[in-house]
Amino acid sequence: AQSVTQLGSHVSVSEGALVLLRCNYSSSVPPYLFWYVQYPNQGLQLLLKYTTGATLVKGINGFEAEFKKSETSFHLTKPSAHMSDAAEYFCAVSTTTGKGAQKLVFGQGTRLTINP
Amino acid sequence: DAGVTQSPTHLIKTRGQHVTLRCSPISGHKSVSWYQQVLGQGPQFIFQYYEKEERGRGNFPDRFSARQFPNYSSELNVNALLLGDSALYLCASSQTSGAHVYWNEQFFGPGTRLTVL
Repeated sequence: AQSVTQLGSHVSVSEGALVLLRCNYSSSVPPYLFWYVQYPNQGLQLLLKYTTGATLVKGINGFEAEFKKSETSFHLTKPSAHMSDAAEYFCAVSTTTGKGAQKLVFGQGTRLTINP
Repeated sequence: DAGVTQSPTHLIKTRGQHVTLRCSPISGHKSVSWYQQVLGQGPQFIFQYYEKEERGRGNFPDRFSARQFPNYSSELNVNALLLGDSALYLCASSQTSGAHVYWNEQFFGPGTRLTVL
C-alpha cells in the first residue's frame, strides 16, 4: 500500500532563506505525487504534481520539487522564503480506491514558519 | 468560476447526534471525494462518488455514509457522533473519477469544521 512520510512536523526559516520540506513515499507502482498547501482556515491548494517525464517539477509561488526514484523522495524547495509562505504543507501520493478510482494518501503535514 | 463550496462552515454537535455536511463541486466536475482532517494530521480519505455511484470507501465505520445527487452535489452523513469525529471535513471535486488516471487533480473546498461535545 502506498504511504507518505513527511520528515519534520515543524520547519522554521528566516525570510529570504532556502525552504526545504522533506517527503518520502512508499509505492509498489510508479507513483503520482502531489504537494498541497493549506493556509489557516482554508482548504488545500495544489502547489505542484509529478506524473511522468521531467523529474524536476515547477509549481506555483516559486516552489519546485524533485522526484528521486532511487531515494523514494519528493522534497519541496523554494530558493527564497517569503512571509506569505507560512502555512501547512502536505505531500500526497495518488492511489486507487480498489474500484479503479483515485484517492490521495497524505503525509501528516509540515508547518512552515517564516521568521522576519 | 466558483470553486468547491461546502456548508456549513462550522458546526457544533453533541455526542450521539447526527450531522449532514454538504458539498457543491466545481461546475462540470462529476466526481466528489470526502476527506477527514483531524487536528495536527493529514487528510484521510472517506469516500469517492462519481456519477452518483460510490467508487471508493476508506477505513471508516458504517456510521459514515454519503450520497451524490443528479447535479453532482454531495452529502456526507455521520450518525451517532463520537468525540473523535471532531475534525475538518474536506470535500474535493475532479472532472472524472480518476479511474486509471491517477494524476487527476482534485480541487478542495474550504471544509466544514465539526466539533462534537
